[in-house]
Amino acid sequence: QKEVEQNSGPLSVPEGAIASLNCTYSDRGSQSFFWYRQYSGKSPELIMSIYSNGDKEDGRFTAQLNKASQYVSLLIRDSQPSDSATYLCAVPKGFQKLVFGTGTRLLVSP
Amino acid sequence: DVKVTQSSRYLVKRTGEKVFLECVQDMDHENMFWYRQDPGLGLRLIYFSYDVKMKEKGDIPEGYSVSREKKERFSLILESASTNQTSMYLCASSARGRGGEQYFGPGTRLTVT
Repeated sequence: QKEVEQNSGPLSVPEGAIASLNCTYSDRGSQSFFWYRQYSGKSPELIMSIYSNGDKEDGRFTAQLNKASQYVSLLIRDSQPSDSATYLCAVPKGFQKLVFGTGTRLLVSP
Repeated sequence: DVKVTQSSRYLVKRTGEKVFLECVQDMDHENMFWYRQDPGLGLRLIYFSYDVKMKEKGDIPEGYSVSREKKERFSLILESASTNQTSMYLCASSARGRGGEQYFGPGTRLTVT
């Protein structure tokens, strides 16, 4: 089993819709989770972090964590074409490192 | 703003050449990382450094070495470049204790012919 798994997509949604991106992880001891966004040809940038069960909201983004089921989700409300990117889920490995999923490509059509 | 810079955006080298990729960060971060990113394989950690002169192998260290003589600078060395090292190389840094909050450089697209 991979340490972090994501559906590669692409996930296609119309402008204004809610995009739902999912990630599962194998280490039950993981305590923190991170979402990075990577535009085509660019490097990843951190957009959300979540440390406890439940929801965390930041603007149009909501991260949802369910430790019992070992999944973490990212919801993007009112999706915009500028949200089209690959979204990487990351989970700590050891004290200072991360392991990344392979990412889900999101396409938002006008 | 955190700034991580890499020495080259694009690099073309020949098989067998020794290749140096340099990364500099300006936020006094203790941790620095080298990743390579390939389609379908995602980001894979090559080496990690948690302090000056300290390093730790990542998931795919074979064929690579690193050097960290100063806190702000982390170099990746390909001792004898091979075609299977053609990839996007990304450097990142983070503060101690905040390993999840990594800041990435723009990347170096290396082609080995």
